[in-house]
Amino acid sequence: KAGVTQTPRYLIKTRGQQVTLSCSPISGHRSVSWYQQTPGQGLQFLFEYFSETQRNKGNFPGRFSGRQFSNSRSEMNVSTLELGDSALYLCASSLEIAVYNEQFFGPGTRLTVL
Amino acid sequence: DAKTTQPNSMESNEEEPVHLPCNHSTISGTDYIHWYRQLPSQGPEYVIHGLTSNVNNRMASLAIAEDRKSSTLILHRATLRDAAVYYCILRGLGKLIFGQGTTLQVKP
Repeated sequence: KAGVTQTPRYLIKTRGQQVTLSCSPISGHRSVSWYQQTPGQGLQFLFEYFSETQRNKGNFPGRFSGRQFSNSRSEMNVSTLELGDSALYLCASSLEIAVYNEQFFGPGTRLTVL
Repeated sequence: DAKTTQPNSMESNEEEPVHLPCNHSTISGTDYIHWYRQLPSQGPEYVIHGLTSNVNNRMASLAIAEDRKSSTLILHRATLRDAAVYYCILRGLGKLIFGQGTTLQVKP
């Protein structure tokens, strides 16, 4: 069974631009979560989707948004990029949204904002 | 707010047991304790999780204190491939709290 895939793997943008990252979950998984990882802040939760609906949201500004499609694939969008948005963005999928479910992470998208 | 506290780094010798502690003194009654690890240049990988009772799986054991304010991840025989950053995570309804992680070094 294929793992979680994320595209693109690397991205370079300039301040003020917007970016869209894509995540394909493991087949059969219906929940997708997004995380930001930086050296200073570590791993931080962005949001979680299940059945095309955002179920949980972390403490990030409205510039960060996401959506989930009917096939469970998910995208996240960051508008008006800032230097501080440079990070590794990780996507994780799980069967359901239950708090005891194991999450499977993708390799991440490395975003650099210049 | 709930949070987890972990030592920044730990060292172990190969083939010896490793005990990785995590403090979560503000845990709520319905929060699950999850452990993940992250190898260099990879996404985190699930290790184990539990609610109240100690748990064992093929990778590790999780010992949870009776008051649930702390837990310990136990690797029974560390190998070089276990060198990674280990995260202790609280997962509850609408909540996901990561610790800063413990970098485990395994010496041959």
